[in-house]
Amino acid sequence: EAGVAQSPRYKIIEKRQSVAFWCNPISGHATLYWYQQILGQGPKLLIQFQNNGVVDDSQLPKDRFSAERLKGVDSTLKIQPAKLEDSAVYLCASSVVISGRGSETQYFGPGTRLLVL
Amino acid sequence: AQKITQTQPGMFVQEKEAVTLDCTYDTSDPSYGLFWYKQPSSGEMIFLIYQGSYDQQNATEGRYSLNFQKARKSANLVISASQLGDSAMYFCAMRVYDMRFGAGTRLTVKP
Repeated sequence: EAGVAQSPRYKIIEKRQSVAFWCNPISGHATLYWYQQILGQGPKLLIQFQNNGVVDDSQLPKDRFSAERLKGVDSTLKIQPAKLEDSAVYLCASSVVISGRGSETQYFGPGTRLLVL
Repeated sequence: AQKITQTQPGMFVQEKEAVTLDCTYDTSDPSYGLFWYKQPSSGEMIFLIYQGSYDQQNATEGRYSLNFQKARKSANLVISASQLGDSAMYFCAMRVYDMRFGAGTRLTVKP
């Protein structure tokens, strides 16, 4: 079974430029997540999709970040314009429910390392 | 409020020995899930083990076991017979409605 795919793996941009990341979840996983992981910290949830609807985007900086999952499969995360503090690893994950609330195991992609200069 | 705490920034263990990575959590919700992930230098988060709040038995997956002490709100990861490939960052996470991660523990296995 193929895992979560992400591209690009690395991206270097200058501040105020825009950038987009792509994610393809594990086949059949209805829930997709985008996380931001700043160096030395654990991942922080940016947005969660259930099929093509947004479940939680409370921590997404909506003035510069946007995400979509138009057909309920793959997803893109965009930053426009980027700031220095956006330098981080952006992780995509998808999940399947084991049993009961709280039991969804999330499987992660390899991440995209973003450096903003 | 949900909170996950990992108090050990770094740990060292000798190859073939066992090691325990600490994790404490806080939530007022009776239904939650606890997870451990491994993150090698390549960056990918690898799922290791899951424990549900209503599970009576401690979870085990091969060399990984989760020491779940509900009254103390702790969910420590035990790795038995450490291998050099176990060197990585380890993250504890809790899910109530969303997933919250601890700050991580860097484990180094010495030959």
